[in-house]
Amino acid sequence: GAGVSQSPSNKVTEKGKDVELRCDPISGHTALYWYRQSLGQGLEFLIYFQGNSAPDKSGLPSDRFSAERTGGSVSTLTIQRTQQEDSAVYLCASSFTGMSNQPQHFGDGTRLSIL
Amino acid sequence: GESVGLHLPTLSVQEGDNSIINCAYSNSASDYFIWYKQESGKGPQFIIDIRSNMDKRQGQRVTVLLNKTVKHLSLQIAATQPGDSAVYFCAENIGWGPQAGTALIFGKGTTLSVSS
Repeated sequence: GAGVSQSPSNKVTEKGKDVELRCDPISGHTALYWYRQSLGQGLEFLIYFQGNSAPDKSGLPSDRFSAERTGGSVSTLTIQRTQQEDSAVYLCASSFTGMSNQPQHFGDGTRLSIL
Repeated sequence: GESVGLHLPTLSVQEGDNSIINCAYSNSASDYFIWYKQESGKGPQFIIDIRSNMDKRQGQRVTVLLNKTVKHLSLQIAATQPGDSAVYFCAENIGWGPQAGTALIFGKGTTLSVSS
């Protein structure tokens, strides 16, 4: 497919477990973004990658959250020792160069539920 | 903090009517704006964008208007169809400084319901 792909689409796990969420951006897009969307809310920025570097990690809510990107393509968002407040939809987006005047294109997200 | 907000959380229209969804922003440094449509269980879908050097831009059945004087953005949908039912978000981006090219700032969205 030509769009942003995220996996898994749904994840249910117990409090305290670690989870890994994956994002495959649109081919050729150098910029990648992670957002979080709580039920009925807007999107909350988490982290931005340009290539494999993350110049902006300002949105990560705690040190339990980390992300990496390899080969300028796939990115994983890891949440350690999950808490119930981590339950949300985690959305990934990519854009061609990361310049401010280019649209970000989103995947359908991973719905994370912490029991 | 500064954020993008929407005037109405919900909007109900009849099929065939024109819809207008409004958005107010507060960051004068923002110079790029996007409208997204989000259907249930899906990610936000790009609809249309506009740069701050423009005040109007048209797409297929959609028009975005930007009034920088009052920091107001609107999305007009012509001949609204049941398939237009979704949550609509406006988002802004800052074009310069440390935040340039990074986070989009989203409002909380307007739910558009179209009845036939």
